[in-house]
Amino acid sequence: EMVLTQTPGTLSLSPGDRASLSCRASMSVSSSFLAWYQQRPGQAPRLLIYGSSSRATGIPDRFRGSGSGTDFTLTISRLEPEDFAVYYCQQYSSSGFTFGPGTRVDIK
Amino acid sequence: QLQLQESGPGLVKPSETLSLTCTVSGVSIRSSTDYWGWIRQTPGKGLEWIGSIDYSGNSYYNPSLKSRVTMSVDTSKNQFSLKLKSVTAADTAVYYCAREVRSFDFWGQGILATVSS
Repeated sequence: EMVLTQTPGTLSLSPGDRASLSCRASMSVSSSFLAWYQQRPGQAPRLLIYGSSSRATGIPDRFRGSGSGTDFTLTISRLEPEDFAVYYCQQYSSSGFTFGPGTRVDIK
Repeated sequence: QLQLQESGPGLVKPSETLSLTCTVSGVSIRSSTDYWGWIRQTPGKGLEWIGSIDYSGNSYYNPSLKSRVTMSVDTSKNQFSLKLKSVTAADTAVYYCAREVRSFDFWGQGILATVSS
């Protein structure tokens, strides 16, 4: 069974800081099938990145996805107030979909 | 603009069947080659994919839930549905429907389903 591990669990940063979030898979993931989501309190997750590095429609270019194999990263170049939220990675394989446990980005 | 809306009872008794429906607007399920999925979220287990279905009824499910899950589609109403049988308190969650394109790009707002007597 594919397991996704996200680190750190919580990231405490200030507006304007750069955020780097890690997602590690227990088995190799096709880059085509790795996605990132943002979830704000009381809202559904929002797709940010698909195919490990493609931004979804309307997502600002301060969000960048990278990585391959078992190691993937979401980078937010300069945090805006609305970026403080929980971020999840997700993979697709022949067994279906798995989500990581999330990284919370909160205000320092 | 594609929109999805979950509906169904918010309270289900243990051992009974949870039934939810997702109404899609802005695109016809019949004309789409995409899949449509259900995902749930709990504080303890986080986000968990339940299953996905296409317009013709082809479906695939999370192996851990497969024995209890049935999904169906009603193209005349532009809806797809989830049935989860033999529920327990562990099935209490916010249930989301979403469009599946090997990721989930459009989501409903979610519906809280509580399992309790």
